Amino acid sequence: SQTIHQWPATLVQPVGSPLSLECTVEGTSNPNLYWYRQAAGRGLQLLFYSVGIGQISSEVPQNLSASRPQDRQFILSSKKLLLSDSGFYLCAWSPGTEGYTFGSGTRLTVV
Amino acid sequence: AQRVTQPEKLLSVFKGAPVELKCNYSYSGSPELFWYVQYSRQRLQLLLRHISRESIKGFTADLNKGETSFHLKKPFAQEEDSAMYYCALKAGGFKTIFGAGTRLFVKA
Repeated sequence: SQTIHQWPATLVQPVGSPLSLECTVEGTSNPNLYWYRQAAGRGLQLLFYSVGIGQISSEVPQNLSASRPQDRQFILSSKKLLLSDSGFYLCAWSPGTEGYTFGSGTRLTVV
Repeated sequence: AQRVTQPEKLLSVFKGAPVELKCNYSYSGSPELFWYVQYSRQRLQLLLRHISRESIKGFTADLNKGETSFHLKKPFAQEEDSAMYYCALKAGGFKTIFGAGTRLFVKA
C-alpha cells in the first residue's frame, strides 16, 4: 500500500536560517506531489506541485522553493527564513484523478 | 476565478441532530469536488468525492451545478463526527483549491 512520510514533525528555527523539509512517498511511482501551507481560518494554500522529477510549479511567489530530486521525494526549502514563514506545512500526493493523501505535517516556528 | 467558499467557520449541533456543512464554488469548467476531514491529532484525509456518489460514515454530498454548491450532509450527527471539514475543488490540471474549513462540534 502507498504511504507518505513527512519530517520533521516540529521545527523551531531562527530568522535568517535555512530550511529543508522532506517528504517521501512509498508504494507508488510517478506520483503528483504537492506542498501546502495550512493556516487557521484560511484553509490550505497551495505552494508548489510537481508532476515529475525536476518539474516544479510554483503557485505563490514567496521566500520558499521546492525540489524533486527523485521520483518519490519532494523537498521544501528556504535559504533564509522569515517570521512570516511560520506555519503548518503539509505534503500530499495524488495518483492523478483521485483525491489527495496527506502527510502528517510539519509545524514550523520561526523565532 | 476559481474559489471555494465555506461560509461557516464553526458549526455546533447536538448529537442526533441533522448537520449540513455548506460549500459553494466558483469555476467555469466541469468541477471535481471533494470533502476532506481532519480529526483531532490525525492527518487530513479524504472523506468523499462527488464523482463516486458514495456515502461515507453516513455523510453524503450532492453536487448542485445550478447553485454551484456541494454541501455535506448527515441526518444524525455523532460525537465522533467532531472535526475540521474542508471542501475542495479540483479546477482542471493538477491543482486543488481548498476552502477555509468548517469546524464541527457535536455536543452530547
